[in-house]
Amino acid sequence: KNEVEQSPQNLTAQEGEFITINCSYSVGISALHWLQQHPGGGIVSLFMLSSGKKKHGRLIATINIQEKHSSLHITASHPRDSAVYICAATYQGAQKLVFGQGTRLTINP
Amino acid sequence: DAGITQSPRHKVTETGTPVTLRCHQTENHRYMYWYRQDPGHGLRLIHYSYGVKDTDKGEVSDGYSVSRSKTEDFLLTLESATSSQTSVYFCAISTNKGVVDSPLHFGNGTRLTVT
Repeated sequence: KNEVEQSPQNLTAQEGEFITINCSYSVGISALHWLQQHPGGGIVSLFMLSSGKKKHGRLIATINIQEKHSSLHITASHPRDSAVYICAATYQGAQKLVFGQGTRLTINP
Repeated sequence: DAGITQSPRHKVTETGTPVTLRCHQTENHRYMYWYRQDPGHGLRLIHYSYGVKDTDKGEVSDGYSVSRSKTEDFLLTLESATSSQTSVYFCAISTNKGVVDSPLHFGNGTRLTVT
């Protein structure tokens, strides 16, 4: 069964800390997506990657195909980074995403 | 802004009534999706569309139907609303290459309450 597992489910940290959110998936993905959802807000696509690493500002996404694992890192975290971060995978042959349960991140000032 | 509008943004309806949610895009993208989001379940796919009059079921399609008569509009209908369909509904679009090669863009969501 194609699944996506995220960890941790909840994460609380102090402003300035380096944050890592993990995502594991089954074999045979075409692409891995990271999404962000602020409280009461819409959902924004942060990254889509199939290999290597991507960086946008303080956010970095990496993927290790052999280990079937992706990470989302936030450097110099800020309270405005508080949100739910969602990992999702596109499995080969499919045009739809399989979503993880999300990681609720809280950054305290 | 990916040009996606969901309507209505909020709706309260009674059990047994039909409800239609609308997703409108201005991007002329091929792929459109309807998801529901519930605590403890994350995002779950209801139906999706490859193009005009081309639709397929997702993992939680029971009690829902969709129609896409124009590229820009994807309608989700709850044929006879039940309390279990109280949820936040998100529409999303992907470019003509689909989610293999392009990200999803989401609408702002519709909060539906069935009493």
